[in-house]
Amino acid sequence: QQQVKQSPQSLIVQKGGIPIINCAYENTAFDYFPWYQQFPGKGPALLIAIRPDVSEKKEGRFTISFNKSAKQFSLHIMDSQPGDSATYFCAASIGGSNYKLTFGKGTLLTVNP
Amino acid sequence: DTGVSQNPRHKITKRGQNVTFRCDPISEHNRLYWYRQTLGQGPEFLTYFQNEAQLEKSRLLSDRFSAERPKGSFSTLEIQRTEQGDSAMYLCASSLGDSNSPLHFGNGTRLTVT
Repeated sequence: QQQVKQSPQSLIVQKGGIPIINCAYENTAFDYFPWYQQFPGKGPALLIAIRPDVSEKKEGRFTISFNKSAKQFSLHIMDSQPGDSATYFCAASIGGSNYKLTFGKGTLLTVNP
Repeated sequence: DTGVSQNPRHKITKRGQNVTFRCDPISEHNRLYWYRQTLGQGPEFLTYFQNEAQLEKSRLLSDRFSAERPKGSFSTLEIQRTEQGDSAMYLCASSLGDSNSPLHFGNGTRLTVT
């Protein structure tokens, strides 16, 4: 049973575009929702994270939107750059135990120059 | 570089052989985690250490897998009698001791079992 469903599987945008990656979860006990960025041959790196007490969080060009009632959250990348081309993973965890993350399957983002 | 270090980066082994991977966490981090990532999937949690104590193990960690962190610093993950299904990227991560601290991942060890 996949507890965090991520879409789309892949995404291509032009430089300056705003790619949006969506995730939906099933377990209402999840209360920590991070996004990770992974380049080929590297480990995932934390981009931004949100908890359910807020509906939006911004850090630089990255924004998480969170909809608790719909059990969905999304990542928006403003003014995307070719250097943003990577695989993005959403994840979730329970009860402040942000070490035991349940990851989505990932979205391969390509930003064309 | 003071990040999480994993060795070797790549390991090719024949089915039935034993392999061992090493992880050196960020020095001030007392929590250490192992995850496994197969192609086209997100990482999956395997196990977690607080200092030298192994506090949680996933059902994914079969009896052929053993992890240790003998002095609360580096950790090793051993796979005995490897199977082709063990082929994956094995990721180590570390964090500070509070539940809000983010995980810092290493670049992984890619295991190929032929």
